[in-house]
Parts: sequence; C-alpha cells; structure tokens
Amino acid sequence: DTGVSQDPRHKITKRGQNVTFRCDPISEHNRLYWYRQTLGQGPEFLTYFQNEAQLEKSRLLSDRFSAERPKGSFSTLEIQRTEQGDSAMYLCASSLAMGLTETQYFGPGTRLLVL
Amino acid sequence: AQSVAQPEDQVNVAEGNPLTVKCTYSVSGNPYLFWYVQYPNRGLQFLLKYITGDNLVKGSYGFEAEFNKSQTSFHLKKPSALVSDSALYFCAVSLTNQAGTALIFGKGTTLSVSS
Repeated sequence: DTGVSQDPRHKITKRGQNVTFRCDPISEHNRLYWYRQTLGQGPEFLTYFQNEAQLEKSRLLSDRFSAERPKGSFSTLEIQRTEQGDSAMYLCASSLAMGLTETQYFGPGTRLLVL
Repeated sequence: AQSVAQPEDQVNVAEGNPLTVKCTYSVSGNPYLFWYVQYPNRGLQFLLKYITGDNLVKGSYGFEAEFNKSQTSFHLKKPSALVSDSALYFCAVSLTNQAGTALIFGKGTTLSVSS
C-alpha cells in the first residue's frame, strides 16, 4: 500500500503526559499537512510543510504542539503536557504540488484520548 | 473569512434513488472545491475536485458535482445510490491564489442509504 500511513492509530494517555505521532506521506509528495478533527466537525488545519520547511501554522497550534519533518519525508507531531481538550483525531495528508493545483491525500488518522 | 457550509447534517435516500449532498461556500477569489468521504474509523478519501472549466465534475464511485458560481454552491450528486455509499461526506475549499493551501472543511453530512 503506497498511501499515507500514520502511527499509532490509537493513543490513550493521561493528562499532562507528552505524546508523539508519526506520519509517512506518499512517496515523493513534497507537501505534508496536519489536521485535527473533533467529533461532529470537519478537519481543521494545524500546520503544513513543504519538503522540510514548516511554512504555515494555525492559531490552533498552541505552543504545546510542535511538528517536524526533518528530512522532508516523514513527519512527527508532538503534544506536550496533554489536556483533555486535545482529545481528537489527528489527520495527516500529503500532496504533490504542481503549480497551484494539488490534491491532498489523507492517512487513516491517529485517535487521541486524554484521560 | 473563508467558510464552507453543509446545511444538512443527514441525508436519507433509498437505494437506487438519486442523491444530492449540498455544499455552499464563501471565499474571496476563485475557489478550488473538493469532496471527500469518510468511512468509520478511517481517514478521508478524495472523491473529486473542481479547479476550472466544465461546471460538472465527475469523480470516483460514480459521484459527480456541479459548480454554480452565481449560487456559490458545489453540490455532490449520484444518479443511483448504493447502500455502500453510506458514509460521512465533507465539502472543502481552498484558494487558488495561495500556495500550499490548507483546506477549509464543512461540518460534514452523513449519508444514509437504505435497502
């Protein structure tokens, strides 16, 4: 399967703990996006990378959140000092930028539950 | 501010009947419009997109969508619904004049197809 993969698929943690999620994009896709989806809502943009550069961050991305894409391939999203409000599905998407036209392909997501 | 509205939380249709899932948008500039489908505990799957040109766009699994600029709508349609089409559908918009554009999603519409 050459689609976007995410690990882990599920994570249960206690409030105050740190968690890290991984996303492996489709091979050769140069853009990688992170979104957060809560119950009953559509995904909300968090941040995106072009190759290894983080080019945009949403106001939703508090200073407890950090994302990296060190070699322009896989990406990690870390949440420090988790809060119950962080419970959500975290989705990763990748795309191949060709001019102004791109299609984002999503992974299966990581469902986080903070107790 | 850019936004997407999906006015129906749920659409119910009998198998074999045509279906429509509604979407309206509000953006400044020319939009790129997308439809994604989400099955339980899975990520979003791309169905189709409108960039420019023909207002009727054909996509995966027999779905199509009609772009209407005057009504700022992008309704998803299928001539004959299948039970397997039952899922959560999201409309999304991005801007054509912004590179590396995040998608703005509606809240989603649950499609239920009965046999």
